[in-house]
Amino acid sequence: DTAVSQTPKYLVTQMGNDKSIKCEQNLGHDTMYWYKQDSKKFLKIMFSYNNKELIINETVPNRFSPKSPDKAHLNLHINSLELGDSAVYFCASSQDPSWGGELFFGEGSRLTVL
Amino acid sequence: EDQVTQSPEALRLQEGESSSLNCSYTVSGLRGLFWYRQDPGKGPEFLFTLYSAGEEKEKERLKATLTKKESFLHITAPKPEDSATYLCAVSSWGKLQFGAGTQVVVTP
Repeated sequence: DTAVSQTPKYLVTQMGNDKSIKCEQNLGHDTMYWYKQDSKKFLKIMFSYNNKELIINETVPNRFSPKSPDKAHLNLHINSLELGDSAVYFCASSQDPSWGGELFFGEGSRLTVL
Repeated sequence: EDQVTQSPEALRLQEGESSSLNCSYTVSGLRGLFWYRQDPGKGPEFLFTLYSAGEEKEKERLKATLTKKESFLHITAPKPEDSATYLCAVSSWGKLQFGAGTQVVVTP
């Protein structure tokens, strides 16, 4: 039974398109995150939600819009995709938002923009 | 600005050949230092949390230590299944900042 699951695992799309990635966690955690891992393998936080409320919003283009319909789900919608958006996007969850330490990650969604 | 630097970038070991990975950091308001393991095509998997200088944690062949400026991950008598990328991260003000990782390959 997967703790943090993301769909789809792979996305290949053209520049200018819009795409969404969905994430669900069954751990009962209050906090969920989106991280981006680029080609150099750096993992960088994009957004964090605590019980459906946005608490971290890093310097991310407005084309990226997260949505949390409930505390078990966090989706990421990306408008007008650009080549530089190609990366692996990881969803994660944790129990304690205040120090963001022990995170449980999904398997990632690899986005390729052509 | 907070920084996390890991070295070496890559490490190739023979099975049984012990070694150490380094994570040096500069951060204001450190809440904890974390080690994760990432296998190819997978998400990072939590290994350890260290909170204060002098603290040590162990799990099987892995041992993590912390000083005021850096952390070490010691791999004792590694096996091929220890091959992975090891990521260090620091927590500051609710955000986890990751280093670039050390890719470890253990050959039989």
